[in-house]
Amino acid sequence: GNSVTQMEGPVTLSEEAFLTINCTYTATGYPSLFWYVQYPGEGLQLLLKATKADDKGSNKGFEATYRKETTSFHLEKGSVQVSDSAVYFCALSDPTSGTYKYIFGTGTRLKVLA
Amino acid sequence: DAGVIQSPRHEVTEMGQEVTLRCKPISGHDYLFWYRQTMMRGLELLIYFNNNVPIDDSGMPEDRFSAKMPNASFSTLKIQPSEPRDSAVYFCASSLVLAAGYEQYFGPGTRLTVT
Repeated sequence: GNSVTQMEGPVTLSEEAFLTINCTYTATGYPSLFWYVQYPGEGLQLLLKATKADDKGSNKGFEATYRKETTSFHLEKGSVQVSDSAVYFCALSDPTSGTYKYIFGTGTRLKVLA
Repeated sequence: DAGVIQSPRHEVTEMGQEVTLRCKPISGHDYLFWYRQTMMRGLELLIYFNNNVPIDDSGMPEDRFSAKMPNASFSTLKIQPSEPRDSAVYFCASSLVLAAGYEQYFGPGTRLTVT
């Protein structure tokens, strides 16, 4: 079945540091891949997405590239800010497998120190 | 648009009581999802609907949980009787599925505490 594995947290960085959060997936079909972010006390919101191999999703300085050869969708940001402190979820959807539900990773908590 | 609306935002109840959580999806969306989030189990999909019809309820933990969607603009998740282990944040999300890469829009959640 489909699955998503993301790196365990928490990740603690200083402001302006480089961020990488790893995400790998297993899928039987042709999934779309997502990164969602959850700020304290809020619901999840879409950060970026990619719908096919080699696509790069980007938003608010974050980027992730859909790598089919390594089944990965790692999240990167060149210079994090305190305001980026949140929980980040990698997810996939694969309607070709017969369902419209998302498969979410376990989430990675990021803490950025001033 | 106001986004996905959930009520109440916080609910504290005693074990054995009935709890009803409410969700209003974004107008025009055709899919609605109910999730539960806890520290121990993370984010779990409980059930989802397409055009008001339940499609997959395999995530509903037990018979104490039930969900309905009587029309396109309203859904409920009911727990009867509630137990302390049901304490969690419950999220509702909705989507309009037109093509690959459809986004799920999450509500702010209902924090349930069962004492």
